[in-house]
Amino acid sequence: GQNIDQPTEMTATEGAIVQINCTYQTSGFNGLFWYQQHAGEAPTFLSYNVLDGLEEKGRFSSFLSRSKGYSYLLLKELQMKDSASYLCAVIDSNYQLIWGAGTKLIIKP
Amino acid sequence: GAVVSQHPSWVICKSGTSVKIECRSLDFQATTMFWYRQFPKQSLMLMATSNEGSKATYEQGVEKDKFLINHASLTLSTLTVTSAHPEDSSFYICSASGLSSYNEQFFGPGTRLTVL
Repeated sequence: GQNIDQPTEMTATEGAIVQINCTYQTSGFNGLFWYQQHAGEAPTFLSYNVLDGLEEKGRFSSFLSRSKGYSYLLLKELQMKDSASYLCAVIDSNYQLIWGAGTKLIIKP
Repeated sequence: GAVVSQHPSWVICKSGTSVKIECRSLDFQATTMFWYRQFPKQSLMLMATSNEGSKATYEQGVEKDKFLINHASLTLSTLTVTSAHPEDSSFYICSASGLSSYNEQFFGPGTRLTVL
C-alpha cells in the first residue's frame, strides 16, 4: 500500500528553527509537495521537490532524498503566525496525490 | 495568478435537503478539479477527481449518487450533496490543477457545511 508518515504534532519556540520530517512509500514518485494549512482554512502551497537536494524559499526550505523516501520542511526564525498544520503530499506513478495526515506545529512565545 | 474560488463559504441546511457547492478557477483553465472533505482535526480526504467533460472518479467509500460532481467547463466544477444528513457536516475543499507542469493543486478557500 501507499503510506506517508509525518509526526502528528510538534512544538517550537518563537525565533527558533524546526524541522518537520516526512517519509513515504508510494508506487512510483513524481514529486513531493509541502502545504501549510491554518485552522479552518484551505491548504496553501509552500514547496515542490522532484530532484534530490534542498530548495530554499525565504524562511522555509524543503529537502528531498528519493533513495531514502524522505523529505523535510525546515522553518527558520519561527513566528507565531507559523502555527499551523503542515501537510506532506507525494505524486505517485499514476499522478495521484497521496496526502500525509499533517503535522500540527505549535509555536510558543 | 492561480486563484480558485468556492461558493458559498458556509451553508447551514436542514436534514434531507440538497446543497450545491461551486468551485471556479478564476484565472486559468483547470484540466482537473479535486473535491476533498475534512473533518475537524483530521487530514484532507480526497472524495473525487474530475476532468472537464467526463465523469468524476470517486474514491473508495464515497457514494457517487450522494455526492454529485459536475465539471462542465474548464473553469467550473460543482459538488451537490444530496439529501444531506448531520454526518455530512464537514469542511469541503476543492482544488484545481492545470496551470503548472507538475500538476500543483491550487486550493479554494473551502465551504463549511452544517446540516441540522
